Amino acid sequence: EVQLLESGGGLVQPGQSLRLSCAASGFTFSNCAMSWVRQAPGKGLEWVSSIGSRGRSTYYADAVKGRFTISRDNSKNTLYLQMNSLRAEDTAVYHCAKVGSAWWDFDYWGQGTLVTVSS
Amino acid sequence: DIQMTQSPSSLSASVGDRVTITCRASQGIRNDLGWYQQKPGQAPKRLIYAASGLQSGVPSRFSGSGSGIEFTLTISSLQPEDFATYYCLQHNSYPPTFGQGTKVEIK
Repeated sequence: EVQLLESGGGLVQPGQSLRLSCAASGFTFSNCAMSWVRQAPGKGLEWVSSIGSRGRSTYYADAVKGRFTISRDNSKNTLYLQMNSLRAEDTAVYHCAKVGSAWWDFDYWGQGTLVTVSS
Repeated sequence: DIQMTQSPSSLSASVGDRVTITCRASQGIRNDLGWYQQKPGQAPKRLIYAASGLQSGVPSRFSGSGSGIEFTLTISSLQPEDFATYYCLQHNSYPPTFGQGTKVEIK
C-alpha cells in the first residue's frame, strides 16, 4: 500500500524558513518522480514543485521560484521542500504526491502538513 | 498556462441521484486529465485517470469521459460517502493545472 506522510509544518513569521519532509513507503521510491501540491485555507489545489526520480530535474511554480527548493534522498525514501523567504500567501496545507505514468499525473497523495505564515 | 474551468462550483443532490461535473480546458489536452475526490482533512484521492480510466478500487458508479477540451465526471447513483469536493487536473502541459473544484453537498 502506498503511503506518503508529510511532516515539518508549523507557524512561522514572514521572511522565515521551513523544511517539509515526506516519508514514502509501499513503492519503489527511487523509480518515481515526486511533487508538492498546496491548498490554501478554503481554496483549491495548486501545484508547487516536482522532482525527477534521480533528483536531476526540478520544476517550480512561478509563485515559489527562487524561494523554494525541492530535493530528495532516495536512500531514506524521503522527499523534501525547503521553503525560504516565506510570505503570508504561502499559508496552506502542503501535500506530497507521487507521480504516476506521466509527468504531472499525480496518482497518490499524502494527507498534508499545514504551514502558517503570520506575524 | 492551460486554464481548467470546472462547473458547477457546488451542487446539492440526494442519495441515489445521478451527478455530472464538467471540466473545460482552454486548449486541447488530448485525454491527459484526472479526477480527484477530496474529503475534509484528507488526502485527495484519484478516481479517474486518462480521462476515462477507473482507478483500481474505485466503485464503478464513478465514470469519466471526454477528450480534447471537454471532460465529464459522472456519479451514476450518489452514495452518502460521495459527499466531497471533486477536482480535475490536466497533465498535458507544464505547469499542471487544476479545476476550481466542485463541492457536492447533501440536499
